[in-house]
Amino acid sequence: EVQLIQSGAEVKKPGESLTISCQISGYSFRSQWIGWVRQMPGRGLEWMGFIFPGDSDTRYSPSFQGQVTISADKSVSTAYLRWASLKASDTATYYCARSGTASIFDLWGQGTLVIVSS
Amino acid sequence: EIVVTQSPATLSVSPGERVTLSCRASQTITNSVAWYQQKPGQAPRLLISGASTRATGIPTRFSGSLSGTEFTLTISRLQSEDFAVYYCQHYRTFGQGTKVEIK
Repeated sequence: EVQLIQSGAEVKKPGESLTISCQISGYSFRSQWIGWVRQMPGRGLEWMGFIFPGDSDTRYSPSFQGQVTISADKSVSTAYLRWASLKASDTATYYCARSGTASIFDLWGQGTLVIVSS
Repeated sequence: EIVVTQSPATLSVSPGERVTLSCRASQTITNSVAWYQQKPGQAPRLLISGASTRATGIPTRFSGSLSGTEFTLTISRLQSEDFAVYYCQHYRTFGQGTKVEIK
């Protein structure tokens, strides 16, 4: 069974750093793109970016370029989303998802809630 | 950059009714189009990709189409479990979402 298991909820202060994770099982991790999607409270979905773990090729939406870093570790079949300095506006649920063709996501993790508050 | 506009924001319907949700792109697009369903507290679920191909396990009452700049999701007979928010996607842009609620 294919699974994308995300790390647990986080509560952080503005200016702190944070990395959340997405562990994949059930298929070849290195062979398909893994992306991240933001959903702010009560709002819609936003495509952030994705990575091809096989060669670490990474693409970002212009809205998120420079704001976050996407990475992957093939040895543990895990993708990561990292912030160097959080802002209150980063409060949201973040989903990882597997991408097949055309940046479309066919399988999703359960989501990680990130709350940034002083 | 292609802008995607999804309408309506909310749709009130009765079980058993036929429902059509729409998205319009700012220019002619390829079939890199998808539809997702999201229920409260859950992750989105892929319903349709390639504009008209149902994902694995999706009931046949869900269908999608693309014509020019407009792509649509049709639910032929709405079931109780279909009340949710639906999002369209073209390439790396999501629509704003349509909430399908009980009338």
